Amino acid sequence: DADVTQTPRNRITKTGKRIMLECSQTKGHDRMYWYRQDPGLGLRLIYYSFDVKDINKGEISDGYSVSRQAQAKFSLSLESAIPNQTALYFCATSGESEKLFFGSGTQLSVL
Amino acid sequence: LAKTTQPISMDSYEGQEVNITCSHNNIATNDYITWYQQFPSQGPRFIIQGYKTKVTNEVASLFIPADRKSSTLSLPRVSLSDTAVYYCLVGTDSWGKLQFGAGTQVVVTP
Repeated sequence: DADVTQTPRNRITKTGKRIMLECSQTKGHDRMYWYRQDPGLGLRLIYYSFDVKDINKGEISDGYSVSRQAQAKFSLSLESAIPNQTALYFCATSGESEKLFFGSGTQLSVL
Repeated sequence: LAKTTQPISMDSYEGQEVNITCSHNNIATNDYITWYQQFPSQGPRFIIQGYKTKVTNEVASLFIPADRKSSTLSLPRVSLSDTAVYYCLVGTDSWGKLQFGAGTQVVVTP
């Protein structure tokens, strides 16, 4: 089983819909992250959490929200999806070192 | 946050050694250097991490000069399956989060 699991793997939605992407991990890590990747570009940080009570905005948090339901679970919501939020979304975890473990990604398409 | 600069792309043939250099002039004393590999439609995968001199594992070697202002990831005898994007990350910013640059696209051909 994967250490970092993202669901769904693919999602197609319409403009204005609220959707949630889920992430769970079995690494026992406190730190969790949500990144977005657009074609040909690197990863940009949306939100990160260093423990259950800690939520921080990344460089592109507008239009997104997150919830850290437990140490192992970190979900990302798009309040009202728009087409330029079409991208590949990755969840990641890390321990104390700068070694990130990524999920397989969620390909989101907003029509 | 130490800014990193690496080549946009590199081409190689199977069996050759590939060396990717990353510049990080503003690296802080306590910063580590970490490299990741990403295949299309997959999440990045940790390759190697180092602080100074040389680090080697079963996948790659990382060379870091004494001034630590750059680092070189060395992939020995690459194969077609090494075609990927390689990211160099240095340290963390004041909030402890990690930021990725555009990476280096390595293309290996027969």
